[in-house]
Amino acid sequence: DSGVTQTPKHLITATGQRVTLRCSPRSGDLSVYWYQQSLDQGLQFLIQYYNGEERAKGNILERFSAQQFPDLHSELNLSSLELGDSALYFCASSPRPEDSPLHFGNGTRLTVT
Amino acid sequence: QQQVKQSPQSLIVQKGGISIINCAYENTAFDYFPWYQQFPGKGPALLIAIRPDVSEKKEGRFTISFNKSAKQFSLHIMDSQPGDSATYFCAASMLGGKLTFGQGTILTVHP
Repeated sequence: DSGVTQTPKHLITATGQRVTLRCSPRSGDLSVYWYQQSLDQGLQFLIQYYNGEERAKGNILERFSAQQFPDLHSELNLSSLELGDSALYFCASSPRPEDSPLHFGNGTRLTVT
Repeated sequence: QQQVKQSPQSLIVQKGGISIINCAYENTAFDYFPWYQQFPGKGPALLIAIRPDVSEKKEGRFTISFNKSAKQFSLHIMDSQPGDSATYFCAASMLGGKLTFGQGTILTVHP
């Protein structure tokens, strides 16, 4: 068990809808990362937060947004969902941005119908 | 410049054999090279990692070989076991932080 908790495990929703994915980092970790895993794109970095502030941005669509709260949990919001957004969404954490390795949660499987 | 290319896409090995997965990178600023193992329904888990100041790192049956001049690194799994059947990802990062992943290799070890 990595210590990173993601909820829900599975999410099925319709096109055009909005969903929120939640991540609790490992105890003591201040940095949170979101990754998207699809069959054809592999693991793609979306966004990173450190101690509540956005630190780095990757291939994140404008329809997606994230935040990290004072208690360090993070939420990834996906809106105007499209079929192509169906994927596994992983959260990872580390103590600080410059620390390696990243510890991953078990992901949220999003299915858009 | 940010790409990490991984091969092969899939690999079948007999029990007791050696599994070899290769990765190549372009960005010479990368300074941390981990390998992750992922089982179905689980998140990637760190297996072993190396920094560019060493050419090889061994942990149990798992070895990373690193060639800085060629910008390549590889994972060797000795005495491969059916329990090693999983998807393996190489990755790279600079100054810690976000990882850039290879496309993954699906390893199947036959009993």
